[in-house]
Amino acid sequence: DTVLTQSPALAVSPGERVTISCRASESVSTLMHWYQQKPGQQPTLLIYLASNLESGVPARFSGSGSGTDFTLTIDPVEADDTATYYCQQSWNDPWTFGGGTKLELK
Amino acid sequence: QVQLKESGPGLVQPSQTLSLTCTVSGFSLTSYHVSWVRQPPGKGLEWMGVIWTGGSTAYNSLLKSRLSISRDISKSQVFLKMNSLQTEDTATYYCARGIRYNPFDYWGQGVMVTVSS
Repeated sequence: DTVLTQSPALAVSPGERVTISCRASESVSTLMHWYQQKPGQQPTLLIYLASNLESGVPARFSGSGSGTDFTLTIDPVEADDTATYYCQQSWNDPWTFGGGTKLELK
Repeated sequence: QVQLKESGPGLVQPSQTLSLTCTVSGFSLTSYHVSWVRQPPGKGLEWMGVIWTGGSTAYNSLLKSRLSISRDISKSQVFLKMNSLQTEDTATYYCARGIRYNPFDYWGQGVMVTVSS
């Protein structure tokens, strides 16, 4: 299975720029997607196909990457962005998720 | 308005079978595929399987021997059945709509299932 590795946690101050990384154990082309999950809620789609912003998602969120290395950038970070962020690949079977990066605001 | 809603028992005994229903509205099951994704308490997400628009299915190989996904188009419902449940299957189970190239653009609120005697 394709393993997606994310840093467990990050802490940033409001107004700063943050990058969340996701590294795949094998190429996933650009079939990488990003989700935000707040405590007690279901995930919501932020970015699909590595760099496409989902409708209704603020332009502060952006994604980049291809192959095995991907990043989700939030610039500037706002207090409401406190959440866990997951990457997900759909290039290889089975589809897999990263372990999640918990973003905390200082 | 696109909606998905999971329903099912909150408690299942070990070795028993879990049956969940995902009722969708605002879209057709013949136009969008639907996946099941689960999340153990405090842990990450695991894709379980998908039912495609044509009715065929694909499963995570780790669960394939225990898992079955089906649907009733007339009722706009997708079903999950998983047998031989163990405590490790305790999780929140989500159904999610898949779009082209398979991100999930809408998710249900999830249903918490506890496996315990």
